[in-house]
Amino acid sequence: GENVEQHPSTLSVQEGDSAVIKCTYSDSASNYFPWYKQELGKGPQLIIDIRSNVGEKKDQRIAVTLNKTAKHFSLHITETQPEDSAVYFCASNTGTASKLTFGTGTRLQVTL
Amino acid sequence: DTGVSQNPRHKITKRGQNVTFRCDPISEHNRLYWYRQTLGQGPEFLTYFQNEAQLEKSRLLSDRFSAERPKGSFSTLEIQRTEQGDSAMYLCASSYGGGDNQPQHFGDGTRLSIL
Repeated sequence: GENVEQHPSTLSVQEGDSAVIKCTYSDSASNYFPWYKQELGKGPQLIIDIRSNVGEKKDQRIAVTLNKTAKHFSLHITETQPEDSAVYFCASNTGTASKLTFGTGTRLQVTL
Repeated sequence: DTGVSQNPRHKITKRGQNVTFRCDPISEHNRLYWYRQTLGQGPEFLTYFQNEAQLEKSRLLSDRFSAERPKGSFSTLEIQRTEQGDSAMYLCASSYGGGDNQPQHFGDGTRLSIL
């Protein structure tokens, strides 16, 4: 089955700096890669996603890049703010299947 | 769009009891998913429905677990004879079913604690 690895497990940055989270996947048939932000006591919130026909996607301070050859994708957050502090999960699907396989999460802390 | 709604938010029960959770998806989303999340881990897929049809079940879904979506709207997840290892957050998500890989939107989950 699909395996998704995520690094780092924790990340601390100063407000205004950039944060990068990296994931790798194993199934070459995967073609959909969403990123979720989860705050304490809440469910995961979709923040951005990318499909395999696109190499990069940007939404304000958030961007995601995808390297299909290397089977890895990354989340970039620029100009970080304290409210960006949360746990971030990457995920991938498996071919045409709708189910998602998630990484183990990155706890991002933005300090003042 | 009121989002995915899950009830109850918290459930505490004794080992061996049966529990049932409810999920109301975003209206007009015809796909509904159940995931389980344990502390420090990402969500793990359990099962999903397209309308009222249950299309896939994970091997994590033992025979003590059953999910239904009788009218293609809300869904219930029942766990019979609960065990300590069932303690987790149970998450529901829904998506528009117009093709694969539509964004899945999650509810805030039901946290189950087994005493």
